[in-house]
Amino acid sequence: SAVISQKPSRDICQRGTSLTIQCQVDSQVTMMFWYRQQPGQSLTLIATANQGSEATYESGFVIDKFPISRPNLTFSTLTVSNMSPEDSSIYLCSVDSGGGAYEQYFGPGTRLTVT
Amino acid sequence: QKEVEQDPGPLSVPEGAIVSLNCTYSNSAFQYFMWYRQYSRKGPELLMYTYSSGNKEDGRFTAQVDKSSKYISLFIRDSQPSDSATYLCAMRSQGAQKLVFGQGTRLTINP
Repeated sequence: SAVISQKPSRDICQRGTSLTIQCQVDSQVTMMFWYRQQPGQSLTLIATANQGSEATYESGFVIDKFPISRPNLTFSTLTVSNMSPEDSSIYLCSVDSGGGAYEQYFGPGTRLTVT
Repeated sequence: QKEVEQDPGPLSVPEGAIVSLNCTYSNSAFQYFMWYRQYSRKGPELLMYTYSSGNKEDGRFTAQVDKSSKYISLFIRDSQPSDSATYLCAMRSQGAQKLVFGQGTRLTINP
């Protein structure tokens, strides 16, 4: 399975500011995904990022709020813009294994608190 | 109604017990079924995946899928304190990249 790292691991931010989260994979992957996990809740997909194309956002998530970059096959960033306390959450990136079941492997997550 | 329903627990059992974790789903198009384990303050870790109906065993873990009932299970035999974590089921349709997750069941194994 791929080894995935995320930076920062945690941050405390003031409302109205923006935070960019980085996701690095140790191998080239086609699909990368960004999820949000709110306290005590399950994982909700924010968007799917393919290298060289615009990210595909799920219902309820917009590019202006969560811009994503995917400059190459091993790296992606998610920016949480104009933050409010409701954005306090764990943000996780994952990658597609490329196997038959397209199982996904996850990074350790970024714990964001907005004050 | 959520596409995937999972009892959030918490579930607490003594060490050595057999644990049964379950999810139900409503979308008959789901073909791939996965179980993830998430320790506190960590990302989800893939435990097992199965395709369509049937059983799959891996050490102390057994995954079962009953597509006729839209019901999947994960059994843990000889449970250990190190199995204490949140267990999430996830599933997807053929040809779709999107995984749909259950809420997760918080499990504690007491020594």
